[in-house]
Amino acid sequence: QVQLVQSGAEVKKPGASVKVSCQASGYTFSDYYINWVRQVPGQGFEWMGVIPPTGGAPGYAQKFQGRVTLTRDTSTRTVYMELNSLRSDDTAVYFCGRETTGMVADYWGQGTLVTVSS
Amino acid sequence: QSALTQPASVSGSPGQSITISCTGTSSDVGGYNFVSWFQQHPGKAPKLMIYDVTNRPSGVSNRFSGSKSGNTASLTISGLQTEDEADYYCSSYTSDSALYVFGTGTKVTVL
Repeated sequence: QVQLVQSGAEVKKPGASVKVSCQASGYTFSDYYINWVRQVPGQGFEWMGVIPPTGGAPGYAQKFQGRVTLTRDTSTRTVYMELNSLRSDDTAVYFCGRETTGMVADYWGQGTLVTVSS
Repeated sequence: QSALTQPASVSGSPGQSITISCTGTSSDVGGYNFVSWFQQHPGKAPKLMIYDVTNRPSGVSNRFSGSKSGNTASLTISGLQTEDEADYYCSSYTSDSALYVFGTGTKVTVL
C-alpha cells in the first residue's frame, strides 16, 4: 500500500534551520511529484512547494521563496524539506503529499510538528 | 495566496444530510475542475474524500458527494454518522503563484 513516512517532531530556536524527510513506499516513486504543505495549529493549510521525483527543478510558493529548499534522494525514495531562518510563526505541522493531476495529494505523510521557540 | 471561504461550522443529526460550501474565484475553483475535499480528525493526517469536484476514491463511502457551480464547490454528506464528525477542508488548483489553495476549514458536528 502507498505510504509516506515522515521524520519525527523537531524543536528549534529562532533563526535556526530544520530539515524534514518523507520516505515513500508502495508505488513507483518516479511517477509522482511530492508536495509540501503546512498547517499552523488550529488553522488551515498552506502550500509550500513541489518537487519532481527524478530530475527537474522544484517549485516554491512565493511566500517561502529563498527560505525553503526541496531535495530528493531517489536511491532511498526520500524527499526532504529544509526551512531556514525559522521564526515563531513557522511553528506548524508539516506534511508531504503525493500529487496527482490537479490534486495536492491523494496520500499524505503523517505530519511532522516543528516548534520554533526560544 | 488567499484562502477559499468555508463556513466555520456545520452540524446535523444522525441520518440527516449536510452541505459544506467552498467559495473561491475564477482563478481557482471557478477556473478548473480540480477541487478536492479532505477529512481531518484531530491530530491526524488529512484523508482524501472527493477529487476532481465529483469523484470519490475507492474506499470512501458513497454518502459523500461533491459538486460545483461557478466559483463555489460543495461537499454533501448524506446519512450523517457519528464517525463523520471531523474537520473538512476543500482545496483547488490555482493559476496564482501558489499551485494549490486551501479552504478555511469547516468543523462538522453530529448532534
